[in-house]
Amino acid sequence: GAGVSQSPRYKVAKRGQDVALRCDPISGHVSLFWYQQALGQGPEFLTYFQNEAQLDKSGLPSDRFFAERPEGSVSTLKIQRTQQEDSAVYLCASSLELGGGQPQHFGDGTRLSIL
Amino acid sequence: AQSVTQLGSHVSVSEGALVLLRCNYSSSVPPYLFWYVQYPNQGLQLLLKYTSAATLVKGINGFEAEFKKSETSFHLTKPSAHMSDAAEYFCAVSTTIQGAQKLVFGQGTRLTINP
Repeated sequence: GAGVSQSPRYKVAKRGQDVALRCDPISGHVSLFWYQQALGQGPEFLTYFQNEAQLDKSGLPSDRFFAERPEGSVSTLKIQRTQQEDSAVYLCASSLELGGGQPQHFGDGTRLSIL
Repeated sequence: AQSVTQLGSHVSVSEGALVLLRCNYSSSVPPYLFWYVQYPNQGLQLLLKYTSAATLVKGINGFEAEFKKSETSFHLTKPSAHMSDAAEYFCAVSTTIQGAQKLVFGQGTRLTINP
């Protein structure tokens, strides 16, 4: 079946602009995660949802970052007043249910470049 | 807090040779452990996972990993490298505590295969 879909694949924005990144998880997957991957680094956790509830947002680097999943399916990560340090690949992952042993299925990511 | 250390940011082996990628973890509770592979401009693909069943875990593409609690290690091996194995590999740990299943990744190991 279809995997996790992220759009756009590439986004270029000027410093100070707002951006919105979209994630379509695998159908029926309860849990959804956002990670940030800087160049040459491993992914770092940003936030996760169980259905529409945001259970952990401890990884969001500042109050400029906001994520939502209003109907428990598609999620949007919004970054306001972008800064150059926001340049990274943003990965979305979903898993069938909440639980530490559940594998997370990743999308191909959105590469964000802030000029 | 949990953490993962991958020894060696770059590993180079000849085609047909043994692949060994090292991962050590730190966790205050019994961990779930994962290996993911990332090809250029793609997301992460699950290779294998350890969830407290057998300590020797077999994954896709001929890879396997052994969980050694006494050494806090979860090294990834493949008996014979293939050119298509060239990629970035990430070890990750996830807590078994319900509701806290975010993945903590290592910095990654770039595997190069020499013809």
